[in-house]
Amino acid sequence: GAVVSQHPSWVICKSGTSVKIECRSLDFQATTMFWYRQFPKQSLMLMATSNEGSKATYEQGVEKDKFLINHASLTLSTLTVTSAHPEDSSFYICSARAGQGVRGEKLFFGSGTQLSVL
Amino acid sequence: QKEVEQNSGPLSVPEGAIASLNCTYSDRGSQSFFWYRQYSGKSPELIMSIYSNGDKEDGRFTAQLNKASQYVSLLIRDSQPSDSATYLCAVNLNTGNQFYFGTGTSLTVIP
Repeated sequence: GAVVSQHPSWVICKSGTSVKIECRSLDFQATTMFWYRQFPKQSLMLMATSNEGSKATYEQGVEKDKFLINHASLTLSTLTVTSAHPEDSSFYICSARAGQGVRGEKLFFGSGTQLSVL
Repeated sequence: QKEVEQNSGPLSVPEGAIASLNCTYSDRGSQSFFWYRQYSGKSPELIMSIYSNGDKEDGRFTAQLNKASQYVSLLIRDSQPSDSATYLCAVNLNTGNQFYFGTGTSLTVIP
């Protein structure tokens, strides 16, 4: 399957600082990437849809000024958690669509980033 | 009504048994269906995709799709302790659309 690289895999930061997470499609171009967060033992929660060359689409309840998404190229999307607080501590996962057509398109996930805010 | 629904479990089966995981979806126009496996602390991994009614087999895994009943299932034969994970069902309405995920079913295979 297609490879999606996510970096860093684990980050600890002080409250009030900003953290940037990168998501790269390594062997394909991704016009659309998705960002999720997941709390322990809970389901994936879609935060936003990242579209190359345009503004991200945020899900209801997700603060766009706090979670900045940039999708400047067909292989890279970044999520910046601004002024992080302990309640932002979570597992953040990106994904990208690969393939074409309704029977070719699949969703592949990055390895995730565990964010811990002290 | 949620787009994709799964029984959260936990589902426990003995080693060597068949594990059966079920998923229902609400949009009759859905075109593609996926099963992902997620180990604790890891991101989801695609294990099966299915597009047509009937069964699709891949090793110990069989995906079953019934569009009339809006139902998709995953069977795991000869279950192993390493199959213990959360299994996520995902549905895609059409190309370019968002993938909708169920909340996942936690499976434990008991040695």
